[in-house]
Amino acid sequence: QVQLQESGPGLVEPSETLSLTCAVSGYSISGGYYWGWIRQPPGKGLEWIGSVYHSGSTYYNPSLKSRVSISLDTSKNHFSLKLSSVTAADTAVYYCARLGTNWGVDYWGQGTLVTVSS
Amino acid sequence: QSVLTQPPSASGTPGQRVTISCSGSSSNIRSNYVCWYQQLPGTAPKFLIYRNSQRPSGVPDRFSGSKSGTSASLAISGLRSEDEADYYCAAWDDSLSALVFGGGTKLTVL
Repeated sequence: QVQLQESGPGLVEPSETLSLTCAVSGYSISGGYYWGWIRQPPGKGLEWIGSVYHSGSTYYNPSLKSRVSISLDTSKNHFSLKLSSVTAADTAVYYCARLGTNWGVDYWGQGTLVTVSS
Repeated sequence: QSVLTQPPSASGTPGQRVTISCSGSSSNIRSNYVCWYQQLPGTAPKFLIYRNSQRPSGVPDRFSGSKSGTSASLAISGLRSEDEADYYCAAWDDSLSALVFGGGTKLTVL
């Protein structure tokens, strides 16, 4: 059974960089699929942040592209998100996820709330 | 404003059939597969429909998806109280080079 678990600070100061890690168990991230991040501001809908293919190719939401970086660490079987220059608008539950061909999200982490505040 | 348009709410009584629409454009729904997700309160979304109409293992056949042109629909038959949730459609957008979601539809079982 594939499982994903997010970890990282729950509070980030404005203008700083948000960093999260997603630990994957039950599947090798180098074995295929896209691995990505999706966020959900409180009381709002889902927003795709970006994804990294098992080969290392990255795909980012154009609205966030200048601030986002997603990378794989195959030795630890996890992948990471960095979002720079955060503001209060980046406050959200951040989900890590596995995406198949055709971009369907078949596995989700439980989500982690990140609040941007001083 | 979401790229894919869903009604903000829908409702039905137990046993009824309800349909949720998802409207897009030629660069997303017409050109690519549509997926649907169910999000129960306080939980992560769940994979409900992929490739427009396919159900992952474990999803009841009460849930069905369809697509025509630039629109897609999710139908839930034999409505149950546990179906009360938010539902999201999603598709890849070729123009944006991005995965886009609908704004979500809150389903209430009366």
